[in-house]
Amino acid sequence: QVRLQESGPGLVKPSQTLSLTCSVAGGSITSGKYYWSWVRQPAGKGLEWVGLIYSSGTTRYNPSLESRVTVSTDTSKNQLSLNLSSVTAADTAVYYCARGASRALRCSLSGCLYYHYAMDVWGQGTTVTVSS
Amino acid sequence: QSVLTQPPSVSGAPGQRVTISCTGDSANIGAPFDVHWYQHLPGTAPKLLIYGNNNRPSGVPDRFSGSKSGTAASLAISDLQAEDEGDYYCQSSDSVIFGGGTKLTVL
Repeated sequence: QVRLQESGPGLVKPSQTLSLTCSVAGGSITSGKYYWSWVRQPAGKGLEWVGLIYSSGTTRYNPSLESRVTVSTDTSKNQLSLNLSSVTAADTAVYYCARGASRALRCSLSGCLYYHYAMDVWGQGTTVTVSS
Repeated sequence: QSVLTQPPSVSGAPGQRVTISCTGDSANIGAPFDVHWYQHLPGTAPKLLIYGNNNRPSGVPDRFSGSKSGTAASLAISDLQAEDEGDYYCQSSDSVIFGGGTKLTVL
């Protein structure tokens, strides 16, 4: 059974880069056709998808964060990573990593349209505060 | 602003039945893509509640059920219990974007 565990600094200064890691246990991050996602919840607000990476290596980002977000995997460490640059207080949130299966429906030169199965495995979340 | 619209809040007394709607459009739910539902209780990680419109993962009580029609989906919770109080989110399988979320209050 796959388990996910987020880790990273709990406090980040404004304008700096937030870096989080999600360690994957009980399975390989490269096996199967999955997407590995980052989701956050600012205090008092709803869940917000941040970004994801498919098993193919293709990434997708929330348009509202796209200019600042990078999601990647480190296969040697079986980890998922999130980098969010130029952070502000608005980036203060609980950050979750999650896994779901995916299936490419059709592909073109501009990319693939995927069917996203539900995210059935979640980490426990890690709280990040942006403050000086 | 989410492309999936949910009511901000619903409430019900213990034992009652409540429904939470999730309205999309012809590009997502009506395309037709399936809808997934998540439960997010205070202090815990989100939990998959319903997948593929009306399927319950192992361990989810049958008090929870999902349905879909046209460009909308619904989550129904029967025999409401105090521990059901929390936030509920829908997601269309065309993307990973969540609905705005619905806060369920058990009176």
